[in-house]
Amino acid sequence: QVQLVQSGAEVKKPGASVKVSCKASGYTFRTYGISWVRQAPGQGLEWMGWISVRDNNTEYAERFDGRVTMTSDTRTSTVYMELRSLTSADTAVYFCARGTYDYWGRGSLVIVSS
Amino acid sequence: EVVLTQSPATLSLSPGERATLSCRASQSLNSYLAWYQQKPGQPPRLLIYDASIRATGVPARFSGSGSGTDFTLTISSLEPEDFAVYYCQQRTNRGTFGQGTKLEIK
Repeated sequence: QVQLVQSGAEVKKPGASVKVSCKASGYTFRTYGISWVRQAPGQGLEWMGWISVRDNNTEYAERFDGRVTMTSDTRTSTVYMELRSLTSADTAVYFCARGTYDYWGRGSLVIVSS
Repeated sequence: EVVLTQSPATLSLSPGERATLSCRASQSLNSYLAWYQQKPGQPPRLLIYDASIRATGVPARFSGSGSGTDFTLTISSLEPEDFAVYYCQQRTNRGTFGQGTKLEIK
């Protein structure tokens, strides 16, 4: 069965970076891209970007451009999302989703606090 | 940037009633709009894509319609498990979401 397994919760200080992983299984990894969506506590969904795992082409939401990097490792069927220069506003659950958004990871909580 | 505006923000209905949720886009999306359901502590669940196509396993009481800038999600007869937050998402230009409609029990 299709699964997207995300890395665990992280606590970071303001100004630091975080790298969240999303390991895919149950399908041919190269067939679908991976999107990242975040959700701050009690708030709505925010689309962050997308990566094609076939050619590593990326597309980021304008508000994250320059601060986020998405990469993939086809050897381990894992996609990574790195967010830099963290502030308290980046405290959120970060979800990965298969390109067609039909399968989602359970989410990775990132807390930014001094 | 494409902006999606969902209405109403909150919808209070009883089981068995019909629910109609709206999503309006700031520019034409053709039919590249999706709907999701989210319950507390869970990731979103894809319900509808390309405006009107039900995702695998989604009950027939969920239907989507619309094109261009105006879209609707209809739940024909509410079941207790349908009370949740619903989001629309456009896929024409990146992937922005609407702010959500909370469907609550009246």
